[in-house]
Amino acid sequence: SAVISQKPSRDICQRGTSLTIQCQVDSQVTMMFWYRQQPGQSLTLIATANQGSEATYESGFVIDKFPISRPNLTFSTLTVSNMSPEDSSIYLCSGSSDGGETQYFGPGTRLLVL
Amino acid sequence: GESVGLHLPTLSVQEGDNSIINCAYSNSASDYFIWYKQESGKGPQFIIDIRSNMDKRQGQRVTVLLNKTVKHLSLQIAATQPGDSAVYFCAETQLYNQGGKLIFGQGTELSVKP
Repeated sequence: SAVISQKPSRDICQRGTSLTIQCQVDSQVTMMFWYRQQPGQSLTLIATANQGSEATYESGFVIDKFPISRPNLTFSTLTVSNMSPEDSSIYLCSGSSDGGETQYFGPGTRLLVL
Repeated sequence: GESVGLHLPTLSVQEGDNSIINCAYSNSASDYFIWYKQESGKGPQFIIDIRSNMDKRQGQRVTVLLNKTVKHLSLQIAATQPGDSAVYFCAETQLYNQGGKLIFGQGTELSVKP
């Protein structure tokens, strides 16, 4: 199984600023994803992080707001840009080395925007 | 503490009893399903998965049942322990058409009384 870490684990930010979240996997994975989870709610997919190309965003999420990088098979970043209090959430990355099967998650980054 | 969010369905069981957590999935074309366990302050933890060509799959103390006719998934936990207390999510995807992008159910909170 893949072990996934995220940095930072939590942060408190001022509105209008941006935060970059890092996701590191301990082994190469073919697929990496970014999800958002409001407290007490389920997970919603933000985008698929594609290695060496632009991320694929889900409906309601755009690159200008959530730019994503994936320079190699073990690392990805998600930036939450021009933050507002509505962006307060838990952001999670996941990875799969089986073409989408057996998808493992990181511990999440808890973001509070004031 | 957590901010206001939707109240999750809750299942309360006695330690040692068996637990059954149910999930209705949305897409009849989904061909792969995963159950996750999420403890407070942590990311989702992979429990067990099942492909659509199977009706049942067993792991250690857990069994997943799939009924494609009514688009229903269940997770059975045998001899439930206090450490099983968590929120449980089902997730579905089309492995080949959606590249592993997961759609999560709303979640069920399992509370185990000692």
